[in-house]
Amino acid sequence: SQTIHQWPATLVQPVGSPLSLECTVEGTSNPNLYWYRQAAGRGLQLLFYSVGIGQISSEVPQNLSASRPQDRQFILSSKKLLLSDSGFYLCAWTGQGAFYEQYFGPGTRLTVT
Amino acid sequence: KNQVEQSPQSLIILEGKNCTLQCNYTVSPFSNLRWYKQDTGRGPVSLTIMTFSENTKSNGRYTATLDADTKQSSLHITASQLSDSASYICVVSARRSSASKIIFGSGTRLSIRP
Repeated sequence: SQTIHQWPATLVQPVGSPLSLECTVEGTSNPNLYWYRQAAGRGLQLLFYSVGIGQISSEVPQNLSASRPQDRQFILSSKKLLLSDSGFYLCAWTGQGAFYEQYFGPGTRLTVT
Repeated sequence: KNQVEQSPQSLIILEGKNCTLQCNYTVSPFSNLRWYKQDTGRGPVSLTIMTFSENTKSNGRYTATLDADTKQSSLHITASQLSDSASYICVVSARRSSASKIIFGSGTRLSIRP
């Protein structure tokens, strides 16, 4: 069966510090991978998605970046965090094709102080 | 513009009561609609998924309906339990879509009181 992992689960970082969040998927190959951010009491905002290794599409211009160094690994990074980067970050994956189920990881709670 | 709107924004009901959450969408061309349950501080978990040809689907005490003509969906929860307290998110995907065409509603925050 497929499993999706995220770490860390929680993170408190000062403004201006770097960020690296990691997401890995097990039990499937060539998934579409997604990074979402959810502000408190708000809906999910798509940040990045990837259809393959090295292929990253950005939905929202910001100081975040994403990379996919391996088929089932997706990394969200920042060189300098802003207060507005605080939120709940979710990684998700889907299979290829027009009809697919989307599965979410457990999330990372990021607080920028 | 592709949009998914949910109502109400929040809802409080007593344990044991039924409730219905609404979702209206303008996503086109439509592929499928999903309802997710998201507990606080957790990732969303899928409840139901429906395609254009399906107008109802059940998962235990959860029943989702879809009217593709009016572009409306509802999630009915029967005999609510305290564990049903969560956010419920409606998600609509476009057909023959790129990976980005998954549109999320902002969710309905449901609180079940004893």
